[in-house]
Amino acid sequence: DTGVSQDPRHKITKRGQNVTFRCDPISEHNRLYWYRQTLGQGPEFLTYFQNEAQLEKSRLLSDRFSAERPKGSFSTLEIQRTEQGDSAMYLCASSRMGGPQHFGDGTRLSIL
Amino acid sequence: DAKTTQPPSMDCAEGRAANLPCNHSTISGNEYVYWYRQIHSQGPQYIIHGLKNNETNEMASLIITEDRKSSTLILPHATLRDTAVYYCIVWEGSARQLTFGSGTQLTVLP
Repeated sequence: DTGVSQDPRHKITKRGQNVTFRCDPISEHNRLYWYRQTLGQGPEFLTYFQNEAQLEKSRLLSDRFSAERPKGSFSTLEIQRTEQGDSAMYLCASSRMGGPQHFGDGTRLSIL
Repeated sequence: DAKTTQPPSMDCAEGRAANLPCNHSTISGNEYVYWYRQIHSQGPQYIIHGLKNNETNEMASLIITEDRKSSTLILPHATLRDTAVYYCIVWEGSARQLTFGSGTQLTVLP
């Protein structure tokens, strides 16, 4: 069990640029989740995959955000035309069905 | 919205037991109590969960009251590395997301 891996750990970009984050879940976990966390707050749910199917999206996931999990393994989260308000920690978690979610250490996004 | 209430902060002396309370008075019969913690600059770490019975693992013990309206997470011998924000979450197994509140900032003092 190597844990949930996220890449990169830090991303600094200019407003208006596109960014993409990657998450590699624990290998036997079929469920994958993305959360966003701003300073001083708890994580907030963004979206959820079961295998390759995206089954739920939060209202927080605006049209500029897209997530994929093409083969039911790793996932990517892309943000287009980044805005100052997108600055946050983006967390990925994975789980077996009905099991606890295990989180990665996140990607910290800073928008200049 | 989070269904739990936790004190915003607590201190504990190193080597002593840390007892973190959580109120979840509106919990439903099929909802579990989960505890996570988040050390600065890391992702949340799963600690323990329970439904009705008390639970213990290598990290902590979870005591759930008989009416299930509150619970206590116990770290038996707190160390400086246990300094973190501790989140108590009520979660129904078929739900997708975890709903985090503000948690309790536990500071273990030397």
